Amino acid sequence: DQQVKQNSPSLSVQEGRISILNCDYTNSMFDYFLWYKKYPAEGPTFLISISSIKDKNEDGRFTVFLNKSAKHLSLHIVPSQPGDSAVYFCAASARTGNQFYFGTGTSLTVIP
Amino acid sequence: NAGVMQNPRHLVRRRGQEARLRCSPMKGHSHVYWYRQLPEEGLKFMVYLQKENIIDESGMPKERFSAEFPKEGPSILRIQQVVRGDSAAYFCASSSQVGNEKLFFGSGTQLSVL
Repeated sequence: DQQVKQNSPSLSVQEGRISILNCDYTNSMFDYFLWYKKYPAEGPTFLISISSIKDKNEDGRFTVFLNKSAKHLSLHIVPSQPGDSAVYFCAASARTGNQFYFGTGTSLTVIP
Repeated sequence: NAGVMQNPRHLVRRRGQEARLRCSPMKGHSHVYWYRQLPEEGLKFMVYLQKENIIDESGMPKERFSAEFPKEGPSILRIQQVVRGDSAAYFCASSSQVGNEKLFFGSGTQLSVL
């Protein structure tokens, strides 16, 4: 029962262009969403988060958009850089819950 | 300010042996989570612990797996009588509070069962 879904296993983008990574969730109780970035042989590192009271959060080149009615969030990276090449995980939690639910990840490749 | 420390980084076991994975949370964090990543899959929740208490173990297999977070020392994930299907990357994460607080992850332990 995958409550958080990332339907695109991989994405390739040219350096300097925008990368858009998508994530869907099914549980309407989720009210906090995060994006993590993971390099091979390393643990995931926190990138950006958004609370359900907002629909957008921006941090430098990274912006997360939340569409609660569609139960959809996306991560925009602009401009994309080769160092952004990694696996990106979307995660969600509910204030009343004990755990974070992770998607299966999207592998981003930024082509120089 | 050290991050989440996991050891060993790599662990090789033969079928039927025991595996012990250790995790020291970030300083000041009292909430520890264990996640497992199987090849080509995402991160699957296993267990959530606070000091001396298991809060949620709904993601942990009922047999052979156990976890603890003692008053002193690291959190331990223990897998008894390992099988090939236990081969995976095991990640520990910690947070300073529960609910809507981001997790900080360790580098993981790659368990290989021969």
